[in-house]
Amino acid sequence: AQSVTQPDIHITVSEGASLELRCNYSYGATPYLFWYVQSPGQGLQLLLKYFSGDTLVQGIKGFEAEFKRSQSSFNLRKPSVHWSDAAEYFCAVVYNTDKLIFGTGTRLQVFP
Amino acid sequence: EAGVAQSPRYKIIEKRQSVAFWCNPISGHATLYWYQQILGQGPKLLIQFQNNGVVDDSQLPKDRFSAERLKGVDSTLKIQPAKLEDSAVYLCASSSRDRRGGYTFGSGTRLTVV
Repeated sequence: AQSVTQPDIHITVSEGASLELRCNYSYGATPYLFWYVQSPGQGLQLLLKYFSGDTLVQGIKGFEAEFKRSQSSFNLRKPSVHWSDAAEYFCAVVYNTDKLIFGTGTRLQVFP
Repeated sequence: EAGVAQSPRYKIIEKRQSVAFWCNPISGHATLYWYQQILGQGPKLLIQFQNNGVVDDSQLPKDRFSAERLKGVDSTLKIQPAKLEDSAVYLCASSSRDRRGGYTFGSGTRLTVV
């Protein structure tokens, strides 16, 4: 079955520390891959997306993600986290059915 | 460009009542989606429209949920009768045909069933 997994439910980092949020997908072919962020009470905001080409994708707010076909992964990274980055992060994939399927999310907490 | 518009922003109803949500997608976006996001979970796709036709409604509880997109533009999602477990945020999203722009989400409607 087509699915996307975010192994980490909750991550806590100190402000200024680096961050990596994990995302794995299950499917034979390479899907379209997305990362969204959701602040409390807000809608979903697109951080970045990968369709093809360069496997390192730059997004907004200083985020980047790297697609690794061999590991079926699309991990999100940021070199230095800011307190305003505290939010829920969702990885999502689109397969050939054109359906956007979400992971369960990772809640990021940032300590000063 | 204008984003995806949704209304109302919040709704509180009693169980067994009915409720309707409205969504206006980004102009020119052929595909429209309704998602249900229960607190602490990722969004779950309820129904997908391509223009005014239903592409996928396999996750829609059809005994109580219905949705339409009559003119291929805005859409309405209805729940009748509502249950306590329907308490969630209902998100609408739209995408262009090639999906290159990604999927744009509205701010959602937070439904509380009491």
